[in-house]
Amino acid sequence: DTAVSQTPKYLVTQMGNDKSIKCEQNLGHDTMYWYKQDSKKFLKIMFSYNNKELIINETVPNRFSPKSPDKAHLNLHINSLELGDSAVYFCASSHRLAGGRSSSYNEQFFGPGTRLTVL
Amino acid sequence: SQQGEEDPQALSIQEGENATMNCSYKTSINNLQWYRQNSGRGLVHLILIRSNEREKHSGRLRVTLDTSKKSSSLLITASRAADTASYFCATDPLGNYGQNFVFGPGTRLSVLP
Repeated sequence: DTAVSQTPKYLVTQMGNDKSIKCEQNLGHDTMYWYKQDSKKFLKIMFSYNNKELIINETVPNRFSPKSPDKAHLNLHINSLELGDSAVYFCASSHRLAGGRSSSYNEQFFGPGTRLTVL
Repeated sequence: SQQGEEDPQALSIQEGENATMNCSYKTSINNLQWYRQNSGRGLVHLILIRSNEREKHSGRLRVTLDTSKKSSSLLITASRAADTASYFCATDPLGNYGQNFVFGPGTRLSVLP
């Protein structure tokens, strides 16, 4: 069984469109993330979401918004897509150890990625 | 600048040789983790070393951590062609407030048969 799954695997769309990427984890983790990996393989965290607490990377444009219907899902909505949004987007999940916001985290489990191409 | 920075950026070795990759970081951490990414795939967790540990082993992997130098190394012994991948270090900074797991740009390892 896939631990962290994402759909779609590939997404090709026109500039200006709105699109969503879905993510589901069946590991019972309490924290989920979205990452963007650019063409140079740099991996940057976009959001982390734990028990309805959303932590946003301040560099992420507000065209990007995560939506979590429940603990097992964290979807990514992108409005008004731009050429620079082309990248591979990874969802991940982990279990946060007890201790509050500054506590440490265990290893992350990544989804297979969604390759977004904006034309 | 990147919290975790791997060195070298690319490494090419023959099968059977050992591969060593290094990672430097800037702030105090809870733990440091190494991940592998095969081409076109997601990242796979390899090993986690906590800030109070100095060395850890897992199969053919050996990770060291020097918190005084803010550096870590990943050694893969007796490399195989299947080890060809990109390797990333990721740090879980103290007081991270959600900005955790800051990844470096990775080391691309090629193991030639």
